[in-house]
Amino acid sequence: EAQVTQNPRYLITVTGKKLTVTCSQNMNHEYMSWYRQDPGLGLRQIYYSMNVEVTDKGDVPEGYKVSRKEKRNFPLILESPSPNQTSLYFCASSERKAINNEQFFGPGTRLTVL
Amino acid sequence: AQSVTQPDIHITVSEGASLELRCNYSYGATPYLFWYVQSPGQGLQLLLKYFSGDTLVQGIKGFEAEFKRSQSSFNLRKPSVHWSDAAEYFCAVGAGGGGNKLTFGTGTQLKVEL
Repeated sequence: EAQVTQNPRYLITVTGKKLTVTCSQNMNHEYMSWYRQDPGLGLRQIYYSMNVEVTDKGDVPEGYKVSRKEKRNFPLILESPSPNQTSLYFCASSERKAINNEQFFGPGTRLTVL
Repeated sequence: AQSVTQPDIHITVSEGASLELRCNYSYGATPYLFWYVQSPGQGLQLLLKYFSGDTLVQGIKGFEAEFKRSQSSFNLRKPSVHWSDAAEYFCAVGAGGGGNKLTFGTGTQLKVEL
C-alpha cells in the first residue's frame, strides 16, 4: 500500500530535550516536505527536499532541522524544543514533476512541549 | 507570493442539505488548486484537484469544485451532505515549478446536524 508513515504519532516532551520525528514514504517520491498545523493558521511549510541531499527552508524553519540521506526518509529534528513548537506536524511527499503537485500526507504527529 | 483565503471558519448544515465552502486564492500564474479534508484525528485526504481544462472538477465522496478565474475562486460543493462529512476542509494552491510548495488556507470546520 502506497503510504507516508510518521513516528511517533504522539509525543510529550520537555523544553530543551532533543527529539526526532521520522517520516518515510514507499512511493519513490523525490519531493518531501514538513508542515505544521496550528489552529487558525492552517498548514505552514517548515522545510522541503527536492531530492536526496537537497533541502531548503519553507515558511517557518526556525527551530527545526531536517536531513535527506535516503530518498524514502525525511526526519524532522528539534534540537532544543520550546513550547511554541507544540503543534500537529505532517510529512508529505510527491513526485517531482512540476505539473503535478499532488502531495500525499502522513497521519500526523501531535507534539506537546512542556 | 501565493495566498489562500477561506472566509468561513465554521459552517453548520443539516444532513441532506447542500453545501458550498468558499475559497479565494491569489497567485500570479495559472494556479494548481486542491481541496483536502481532515477528519478528526486523521491526516489530510485529497478530495479533488484542478490543474487545467474543464473548470468543474469532480472529486471523491460526491464533492465537486468550480474554478472561476475571473473571481479567483475555487469553491467546493456537495448537493447533499452526509453526517460523515463533518470534518475540516482545506483549500490549497500549488506553486508549480520546482518548489512543489502548497499554500493552505486556514480551513473551514464543517458541522453536520442530524
